[in-house]
Amino acid sequence: NAGVTQTPKFQVLKTGQSMTLQCAQDMNHNSMYWYRQDPGMGLRLIYYSASEGTTDKGEVPNGYNVSRLNKREFSLRLESAAPSQTSVYFCASSEVLTGPYGYTFGSGTRLTVV
Amino acid sequence: SQQGEEDPQALSIQEGENATMNCSYKTSINNLQWYRQNSGRGLVHLILIRSNEREKHSGRLRVTLDTSKKSSSLLITASRAADTASYFCASRRETSGSRLTFGEGTQLTVNP
Repeated sequence: NAGVTQTPKFQVLKTGQSMTLQCAQDMNHNSMYWYRQDPGMGLRLIYYSASEGTTDKGEVPNGYNVSRLNKREFSLRLESAAPSQTSVYFCASSEVLTGPYGYTFGSGTRLTVV
Repeated sequence: SQQGEEDPQALSIQEGENATMNCSYKTSINNLQWYRQNSGRGLVHLILIRSNEREKHSGRLRVTLDTSKKSSSLLITASRAADTASYFCASRRETSGSRLTFGEGTQLTVNP
């Protein structure tokens, strides 16, 4: 089925450890996004990639880096995890050239930093 | 601060009743979208309304947009237990490219 695939689904990290969250979409969308969702705060944009080869900071980029590996893949890296990064992370993609259309979201990565 | 704010934060109704959720935003937008999130899942796009539209329908969903008041509402008619979920509005600002700004959501519970 077409869509956005995120891995892993669950992860527990110790403070200071690093990890990369993977995201891939097979809809040939140009734009991809990383959001975090915390209770009572909705979704906040971390980083986004408007098109292959470009990345930009969103609302809460501190402590994160991203790589748009190719048109399909957009990864999010935590270099030194902190308890404040405990959250649910969602990747999304959208097609903007022929749109507007809504986003397609992955199922999320539930990250706990202890 | 969040661009979108939903009201109410939580809503509990009986099956068959209508559910209305409201959203306000602060800056000029290109379009406004509504998403549903079932517990433990990702968000699913429901409906998009452009800034030059005032009302849009999709099945049991009706969305209105009032750009003069910077507000939108989502109406779900004849609700079902399966409609139990969180509902988020998301606005695409005129100056933000393709980025969406999400509100904090309304938790809807439909009791059988």
